[in-house]
Amino acid sequence: EPEVTQTPSHQVTQMGQEVILRCVPISNHLYFYWYRQILGQKVEFLVSFYNNEISEKSEIFDDQFSVERPDGSNFTLKIRSTKLEDSAMYFCASSPPSGGRPYEQYFGPGTRLTVT
Amino acid sequence: AQSVTQLDSQVPVFEEAPVELRCNYSSSVSVYLFWYVQYPNQGLQLLLKYLSGSTLVKGINGFEAEFNKSQTSFHLRKPSVHISDTAEYFCAVSDQAAGNKLTFGGGTRVLVKP
Repeated sequence: EPEVTQTPSHQVTQMGQEVILRCVPISNHLYFYWYRQILGQKVEFLVSFYNNEISEKSEIFDDQFSVERPDGSNFTLKIRSTKLEDSAMYFCASSPPSGGRPYEQYFGPGTRLTVT
Repeated sequence: AQSVTQLDSQVPVFEEAPVELRCNYSSSVSVYLFWYVQYPNQGLQLLLKYLSGSTLVKGINGFEAEFNKSQTSFHLRKPSVHISDTAEYFCAVSDQAAGNKLTFGGGTRVLVKP
């Protein structure tokens, strides 16, 4: 069964450094998302991406964050200058086209980002 | 703005006993409702969804949920749990006003005891 994959599974970085989290969505999916979960807190929406542009973003997704689909398979989240509070589990998700409404989001296993 | 409340952060339950996980939501428009499960060290897996139609929704692994519009609830149930059901369960909602993003509840950790 096709799956969303994410690399790396765990990333440790120093404050102020740039990180890129990588995701490979399911191949025929058209909608892509990033969520994060700070330890002990709710899963929070960051951004959705469709047709090579951001379709929606949350207040968390400020200028330090960016997303890109550099080729036909990868979907990346870049944090330009990491802060301690960026430490979290980051989940990528993708949705198939479904009559114009992507009802089901399929999640990857997550990347645990630790900022020291 | 939409929000989701899962009233129980942890639910211990004995094997073969029934379990109910409570979820309440608030939204000003029609909603789509979901339950996801997260097994240890894994991602979020869709258990079931309510989009429209019958208010009783059946999902994978013997789970079902009932949408109650008047009580704005979407409780998850299983009549007989297994040890393998030990996991964290998340209720989520999306609505047309919010686009496609999911808003999650805080999660309920289910621990099945032998």
